[in-house]
Amino acid sequence: DTGVSQDPRHKITKRGQNVTFRCDPISEHNRLYWYRQTLGQGPEFLTYFQNEAQLEKSRLLSDRFSAERPKGSFSTLEIQRTEQGDSAMYLCASSSQTTGTVLHFGNGTRLTVT
Amino acid sequence: AQKITQTQPGMFVQEKEAVTLDCTYDTSDPSYGLFWYKQPSSGEMIFLIYQGSYDQQNATEGRYSLNFQKARKSANLVISASQLGDSAMYFCAMREATSNTGKLIFGQGTTLQVKP
Repeated sequence: DTGVSQDPRHKITKRGQNVTFRCDPISEHNRLYWYRQTLGQGPEFLTYFQNEAQLEKSRLLSDRFSAERPKGSFSTLEIQRTEQGDSAMYLCASSSQTTGTVLHFGNGTRLTVT
Repeated sequence: AQKITQTQPGMFVQEKEAVTLDCTYDTSDPSYGLFWYKQPSSGEMIFLIYQGSYDQQNATEGRYSLNFQKARKSANLVISASQLGDSAMYFCAMREATSNTGKLIFGQGTTLQVKP
């Protein structure tokens, strides 16, 4: 069990640029979640995948955000035309629908938009 | 709507002492799960302890215990014999059984500082 892996750990970008983050869940986990966490706050749910299907999206996920999990394994989160308000920690978590009740989180990607 | 409230933005505790971190929740679902996570300054979210709404006994995991008071809708985390490494942010979270996704809703967090 290598845990949930996220890449990159840090990303600094200029306003208006596009960014993409990657998440590799624990291999046998079919559920994958993206959360956003701003400084001093708790994580906020963004979206959920069960295998390759995106089954729930938060209202926080504006049209500039898109997430994919093409083969039901790794997932990507893309933010287009970044804004300063997008600066946050983006956390990925995974769990097993059949055996696990706990969400296992990665170390997150910290995005800074300048 | 489900909601988690952590009213203590910051807490201090002396090393080796016990500390209680408060969490209250609101849900109309009779079946739910309550979780506590620890987030050190490195950013990773570490699972600590879980309590199901129908569990008869309070959950315990090593130095962590959950003081579950269902009628009061509270799920306080008790850390015994605090260590310097316990300094971190702590989050209470809830999952409703009716959620098909298994997603968690988090509180605002409490920052704990352990003094030597």
